[in-house]
Amino acid sequence: GAVVSQHPSWVICKSGTSVKIECRSLDFQATTMFWYRQFPKQSLMLMATSNEGSKATYEQGVEKDKFLINHASLTLSTLTVTSAHPEDSSFYICSARPGDYYNSPLHFGNGTRLTVT
Amino acid sequence: AQTVTQSQPEMSVQEAETVTLSCTYDTSENNYYLFWYKQPPSRQMILVIRQEAYKQQNATENRFSVNFQKAAKSFSLKISDSQLGDTAMYFCAFIRASTDSWGKLQFGAGTQVVVTP
Repeated sequence: GAVVSQHPSWVICKSGTSVKIECRSLDFQATTMFWYRQFPKQSLMLMATSNEGSKATYEQGVEKDKFLINHASLTLSTLTVTSAHPEDSSFYICSARPGDYYNSPLHFGNGTRLTVT
Repeated sequence: AQTVTQSQPEMSVQEAETVTLSCTYDTSENNYYLFWYKQPPSRQMILVIRQEAYKQQNATENRFSVNFQKAAKSFSLKISDSQLGDTAMYFCAFIRASTDSWGKLQFGAGTQVVVTP
């Protein structure tokens, strides 16, 4: 149980275009989802907290207009990288936990490798 | 603010041997949770083990066990009888036991474990 599905697994796009990444909780409802960014051989950096039915909470230094987050349902959050540039190339990972209990482990999607050419 | 420190960038261990990964953290909180996640080459984040700060007993999961020293703010992971499939990046993570933390995990920099035949 507690499966988080992320799509696509990898995407290549041209500079200036936008890319949408989906994160779905397949067998549980998630009022909160998290989006991380990971550079090669580095740790996960939290970008934003996605809240169902309300605005996302962005971490300091993350451009909210660049990384649009929508959490329209209890099982789906999307991250849209707008007007992508090569420096946005990275590995993006989402996570969620069943219910709102902070002590239950986070479950992670399989990540999306974004390459902007 | 909480910080999580993993001072070993890389560890190498032979099959069937034991390796211990160190993790220290800094917090003024008294109630929190600690986790070890592994990230194999597939880059899927997988929960290895979790520890509640209020529990004195060290958590164990099959070949994985922790040495939790609350006073020293230390949370090391021991992998016994290492297997080739244990090769991965291992991340130590911390979360406050507070609803206002929104369940945000704080990750360490990671330790790359390489298991050799």
